[in-house]
Amino acid sequence: GAGVSQTPSNKVTEKGKYVELRCDPISGHTALYWYRQSLGQGPEFLIYFQGTGAADDSGLPNDRFFAVRPEGSVSTLKIQRTERGDSAVYLCASSPTGSTDTQYFGPGTRLTVL
Amino acid sequence: QKEVEQNSGPLSVPEGAIASLNCTYSDRVSQSFFWYRQYSGKSPELIMSIYSNGDKEDGRFTAQLNKASQYVSLLIRDSQPSDSATYLCAVNILTGGFKTIFGAGTRLFVKA
Repeated sequence: GAGVSQTPSNKVTEKGKYVELRCDPISGHTALYWYRQSLGQGPEFLIYFQGTGAADDSGLPNDRFFAVRPEGSVSTLKIQRTERGDSAVYLCASSPTGSTDTQYFGPGTRLTVL
Repeated sequence: QKEVEQNSGPLSVPEGAIASLNCTYSDRVSQSFFWYRQYSGKSPELIMSIYSNGDKEDGRFTAQLNKASQYVSLLIRDSQPSDSATYLCAVNILTGGFKTIFGAGTRLFVKA
């Protein structure tokens, strides 16, 4: 079946703009995760959804970052007033039920803030 | 102390040798541990998961877990040039919520 998909694959924006990044998880996966990865670093946890609710959003760096998953499938990560430091690859992963499951990663969205 | 620590490398081994990758973690109540492989410009993909103390083998890969020492390792036998990648250790942290924390990764080079 289809894997995790993310759109867009690349996003270039100007400092101060608003961006939305979309993640389509594997069908039937209830758990969804957002990470961001900077060059030379491991993925940094942002938020974990179990169904429609955010089970842990402690990784969101500040209130400019927000994520939703209204129907328990597709998720959108929203970044307001982007800053150059937000530039990174944003990865989405899903797993069947969460907790101990393997996470399947999407290809990522490379965000560049000029 | 970082929640998950790995040597950044690079670790260079000759083809056919054993590569040993190590990881320590800080959360004593963690129960789930993972090794992911990430090729340059690609997303992480799971190599091994381990949940109990001891060894778990899958083909050329063996994961080892020691919860008392808060240590998890990955051995790659008969290393191949195609194993050259960054290996990420990941731990599910249960203290204060639920999150998966990744180490910074160890870069492995297998020389032909």
